[in-house]
Amino acid sequence: AQKITQTQPGMFVQEKEAVTLDCTYDTSDPSYGLFWYKQPSSGEMIFLIYQGSYDQQNATEGRYSLNFQKARKSANLVISASQLGDSAMYFCAMRDDSSNTGKLIFGQGTTLQVKP
Amino acid sequence: DAGVIQSPRHEVTEMGQEVTLRCKPISGHDYLFWYRQTMMRGLELLIYFNNNVPIDDSGMPEDRFSAKMPNASFSTLKIQPSEPRDSAVYFCASSLMGDYSSPLHFGNGTRLTVT
Repeated sequence: AQKITQTQPGMFVQEKEAVTLDCTYDTSDPSYGLFWYKQPSSGEMIFLIYQGSYDQQNATEGRYSLNFQKARKSANLVISASQLGDSAMYFCAMRDDSSNTGKLIFGQGTTLQVKP
Repeated sequence: DAGVIQSPRHEVTEMGQEVTLRCKPISGHDYLFWYRQTMMRGLELLIYFNNNVPIDDSGMPEDRFSAKMPNASFSTLKIQPSEPRDSAVYFCASSLMGDYSSPLHFGNGTRLTVT
């Protein structure tokens, strides 16, 4: 069965510093996708970044990058130059592309607080 | 595009009442998902549709929950009768398959409180 694990319930980071949010996953399927979402206090789910299991390079989107280590089954999110607006809950999610169902399985989330 | 639209944003109801949550997916998307978010259980997939057909409802907690998608632009999630433990944020999301990088696009959610 597929599983996503986020071991950090809460994280603090100083404004303008970088922070890494951990995510490990478990699947026996060779084709899958990994996603990160941001949920601010207002509640909406905002898509940040995607990494495919066959992608050779780590995904990047502006200040967000994904440290993808396939052998270790980890897909950590790196946020560079943290801003106060980055304070939110962050979710890692996985989609099994082999079965082509499209559904995402989510981790429990990490709350990030950026300190001024 | 307006994104995924959910209504109502907030719903407060008494135990035993029927609750209907509504969702309009992004036009052209062929998958629609209903998730529930609680502090204890996180984000749980309740049911999802492909081209208006329910594919997997194994996440629906009980027979009190039902979901329909009568056409490509509308879906409902109904709870009858509602119970206090149903209090949660219910999200609708849609996506377009064919592109593996395509994410789920979420609505703003419906916060349900059952007293």
